[in-house]
Amino acid sequence: DTEVTQTPKHLVMGMTNKKSLKCEQHMGHRAMYWYKQKAKKPPELMFVYSYEKLSINESVPSRFSPECPNSSLLNLHLHALQPEDSALYLCASSQVERQNSPLHFGNGTRLTVT
Amino acid sequence: QKEVEQNSGPLSVPEGAIASLNCTYSDRGSQSFFWYRQYSGKSPELIMSIYSNGDKEDGRFTAQLNKASQYVSLLIRDSQPSDSATYLCAVNIKGAQKLVFGQGTRLTINP
Repeated sequence: DTEVTQTPKHLVMGMTNKKSLKCEQHMGHRAMYWYKQKAKKPPELMFVYSYEKLSINESVPSRFSPECPNSSLLNLHLHALQPEDSALYLCASSQVERQNSPLHFGNGTRLTVT
Repeated sequence: QKEVEQNSGPLSVPEGAIASLNCTYSDRGSQSFFWYRQYSGKSPELIMSIYSNGDKEDGRFTAQLNKASQYVSLLIRDSQPSDSATYLCAVNIKGAQKLVFGQGTRLTINP
């Protein structure tokens, strides 16, 4: 079992819907990440939060809006998505203090946009 | 040149043999290197990390790093059908708080 928990596991939404993906970790990590992964491709970085502040935005469209309410929680708010946004969305965490620390991934949310 | 390169495969290896997965990277200042295993439809799972030149062994897995050649590899001894998965090489780019992933190598272990 992973120590990074993502909900929901699956999500189907229409292009006019608003939904949120949630991620929680209790490993004391102070860096949290959102990745997007399309089929047969590697994970693609979207956002990085360090000490609850957004430190990296990889030029992600504004229809994706991240939020880090506290050190354990990370949300991704979705609005007016396109069918091509359908993918596996992965949350990850790591220790900020150790620059070489690995990422620990959650189980992901499989998103389908209709 | 891509930052992290892997042969996408598929790589087929008979059960019991050694599977060898390779990865090259472009940033000479990179300091940390990881191998993740990803089963179809699942999330990546960390299986090895390596930070200094040489070999690091963990059970049936051995990671090898050669910073001069900018090359990292993963050997899987006594391959099992359960090792069939995509293996992602990831490199921590110096000064940046992010991992860069290779395209992944799809490995199939044939019984």
